[in-house]
Amino acid sequence: EADIYQTPRYLVIGTGKKITLECSQTMGHDKMYWYQQDPGMELHLIHYSYGVNSTEKGDLSSESTVSRIRTEHFPLTLESARPSHTSQYLCASSAQNSYGYTFGSGTRLTVV
Amino acid sequence: AQRVTQPEKLLSVFKGAPVELKCNYSYSGSPELFWYVQYSRQRLQLLLRHISRESIKGFTADLNKGETSFHLKKPFAQEEDSAMYYCALSGFGNEKLTFGTGTRLTIIP
Repeated sequence: EADIYQTPRYLVIGTGKKITLECSQTMGHDKMYWYQQDPGMELHLIHYSYGVNSTEKGDLSSESTVSRIRTEHFPLTLESARPSHTSQYLCASSAQNSYGYTFGSGTRLTVV
Repeated sequence: AQRVTQPEKLLSVFKGAPVELKCNYSYSGSPELFWYVQYSRQRLQLLLRHISRESIKGFTADLNKGETSFHLKKPFAQEEDSAMYYCALSGFGNEKLTFGTGTRLTIIP
């Protein structure tokens, strides 16, 4: 089934660890996005990509990095996790913005 | 800069009563507006977009450029409408979505 998948769903990790949050979509969408959302707060765009080998930083500064080597895959990496990175991370994709985004289920990250 | 404001964090409405979720935006060009909804334990999903002028699950939203608003309305609330609602904006030709802080709607039986 064409969809967007995020793994893991929940992650608890120690300070200083390197982590990668996975996001894959099977809809053939060129555009993909990462949003960060703290509980009860708005979604903030941290990274986006309009195609392979194209990545841009979003409106909210983030210490994370992303890559887009394949159309369907848009992983987010934190080289050294800190408690301030504790948040929910949402991945989304779109074919054309007028049709809106399709969101994944999110990864809830806790850094202890 | 583009901005979306949802003035109500929480809204409670009795079943059968009308619902209006407010959304105001700030954008200098021609915006594209959306409403997204997140039901309990489900992912965020698109509810409706202004360019299609559609009614989804009884909800409608009209873009008022004079008042820079895109309020979401439903004439008769149902219990299954309880959810978190986000208004979102993108600029014409700019694919990035800016979200409001969301309104948690609770329908009282």
